Amino acid sequence: EIVLTQSPGTLSLSPGERATLSCRASQSVSSSYLAWYQQKPGQAPRLLIYGASSRATGIPDRFSGSGSGTDFTLTISRLEPEDFAVYYCQQYGSSPATFGQGTKLEIK
Amino acid sequence: EVQLVESGGGLVQPGRSLRLSCAASGFTFDDYAMHWVRQAPGKGLEWVSGISWNSGSIGYADSVKGRFTISRDNAKNSLYLQMNSLRAEDTALYYCAKVLSDGPVSLDAFDIWGQGTMVTVSS
Repeated sequence: EIVLTQSPGTLSLSPGERATLSCRASQSVSSSYLAWYQQKPGQAPRLLIYGASSRATGIPDRFSGSGSGTDFTLTISRLEPEDFAVYYCQQYGSSPATFGQGTKLEIK
Repeated sequence: EVQLVESGGGLVQPGRSLRLSCAASGFTFDDYAMHWVRQAPGKGLEWVSGISWNSGSIGYADSVKGRFTISRDNAKNSLYLQMNSLRAEDTALYYCAKVLSDGPVSLDAFDIWGQGTMVTVSS
């Protein structure tokens, strides 16, 4: 099973700032099958990025994903108030699919 | 509108059973693999089980293997999770989720999620 470790656990930033979230895998993720999700309180997760760098339908271009192998990054170029939430990475290149433990992005 | 609606959750005693359902609408259900993902209160996401479009490929997390059974009825646009021998650690919000790509891909990113159904295992 591939273990995903996200860092930092909590990120405190202000609107307008740039956010960089990290996801490290315990072994190489096949074909960059890495996704990022956003979850707000009381809501289901929302797919942001798939294939490490492809934006899902309707996701603003301030969200971008990068990386390959074992190191992946989600970048939010300029934070909007609605971006403060918990973010999860997920690998789906090998079974079982696994999620990181999440990064909480909070308003500073 | 593409939609997934879960039902069947509730309070159940340890060792008992529960069957979750997920009703799909707004897309061609039998073109896509489907999955169950759970989230314990205040915790992260955990993949539980997945099933291919034609039920030919099925997978389970080790934590539920031998106790949970996933199935689907394409004629009814529905996904199910039969949960037996429930434990306190199965307490969670259970989401059903649709994969992004149609066809034979069983494991993929999850682009559509339901709102979840809560399962509480307690005496």
